[in-house]
Amino acid sequence: GIQVEQSPPDLILQEGANSTLRCNFSDSVNNLQWFHQNPWGQLINLFYIPSGTKQNGRLSATTVATERYSLLYISSSQTTDSGVYFCAASPNAGGTSYGKLTFGQGTILTVHP
Amino acid sequence: DVKVTQSSRYLVKRTGEKVFLECVQDMDHENMFWYRQDPGLGLRLIYFSYDVKMKEKGDIPEGYSVSREKKERFSLILESASTNQTSMYLCASSLYRGRSYNEQFFGPGTRLTVL
Repeated sequence: GIQVEQSPPDLILQEGANSTLRCNFSDSVNNLQWFHQNPWGQLINLFYIPSGTKQNGRLSATTVATERYSLLYISSSQTTDSGVYFCAASPNAGGTSYGKLTFGQGTILTVHP
Repeated sequence: DVKVTQSSRYLVKRTGEKVFLECVQDMDHENMFWYRQDPGLGLRLIYFSYDVKMKEKGDIPEGYSVSREKKERFSLILESASTNQTSMYLCASSLYRGRSYNEQFFGPGTRLTVL
């Protein structure tokens, strides 16, 4: 099956700093999502981005499907950005994948005031 | 907004009990999924369903079964709970349009402890 790898595993920042999280995937995809897991465990959708670039406030994401990677940018980080960020992908398997997501291991982000 | 709800946020059960975890979505999504999340192992797919009464095994189906009698509801069943099923359980749903599988939305999760 598809492999999804995230880097770095841990990231510590001061408030106001910028950061880039990376997600590599081993196969062509028809779904690529970024999530933030809040302290209560819920996965919050950040981006649905199988290709291209999207922006939402201080967050933006870019997926280069031909090179099989995606980047999540966080600008002017705040303490509330702390938590675990997951990348997840579904392979482009001609309709038989049913959109099943394979998750990376996550990046633990800590933002200090 | 898409809303996926799960019947309990926290649940404590005894070994050997039959456990039902319920998930309901309100957006008429065709696909529904059950994942579990464990430290060091990440999120793994247990079962999914692409239509009413249809189900497929995921990566770790052993010890679990599922039921989808109505489109909006997907239940995960632990036939005889064991301590190694202590975990965070996450339900998700997504829309199927044409040949495209779309964005998945997750419920708040159920933290199950089996004693």
